[in-house]
Amino acid sequence: SQTIHQWPATLVQPVGSPLSLECTVEGTSNPNLYWYRQAAGRGLQLLFYSVGIGQISSEVPQNLSASRPQDRQFILSSKKLLLSDSGFYLCAWSQEDQPQHFGDGTRLSIL
Amino acid sequence: GENVEQHPSTLSVQEGDSAVIKCTYSDSASNYFPWYKQELGKGPQLIIDIRSNVGEKKDQRIAVTLNKTAKHFSLHITETQPEDSAVYFCAASILKGNFNKFYFGSGTKLNVKP
Repeated sequence: SQTIHQWPATLVQPVGSPLSLECTVEGTSNPNLYWYRQAAGRGLQLLFYSVGIGQISSEVPQNLSASRPQDRQFILSSKKLLLSDSGFYLCAWSQEDQPQHFGDGTRLSIL
Repeated sequence: GENVEQHPSTLSVQEGDSAVIKCTYSDSASNYFPWYKQELGKGPQLIIDIRSNVGEKKDQRIAVTLNKTAKHFSLHITETQPEDSAVYFCAASILKGNFNKFYFGSGTKLNVKP
């Protein structure tokens, strides 16, 4: 069966520091991959999605970037974090007309 | 693009009562409608879904209905239990080639009182 892993589960970072969040999927090949951000008590904001290795689409202009160095690996990065980057970051995968499946998220706090 | 609206934002029911959450969508090309349950500190989990060629689907205490003409779909939970308390999200998806983009509602916080 397919599984999705995100790490770390929680992260506290100072303003101006870099960021790297990782997501990997197991048990499938060539998945569509997604990064979402969820502010406290709010809905899901799509940040990036990828349909294949090296292919990244950005949904909103921001301080973050994404990369897909391998088929089942999706990375969310920043060179310099802002206070507004705080939130709950979720990675998800899907294939063709199947539902999205989410990881358990990373709670990011910027101090 | 697609716009999904979800109501109510909060819903409080007594244990054993039914709960109904409603969503509307704007793009008639949307053809897949999943519902997710998110517990505190966790990622959303798929609980039920429906495709545009079906009007209703049921799985034990959970059912989803779809009205394509009105662009409206609803989640029904019967005989609610305290463990049903969570945030529920609806979504609409448009399949383009082998990629489906999902548009989510803003969420409904369901509180089931014992």
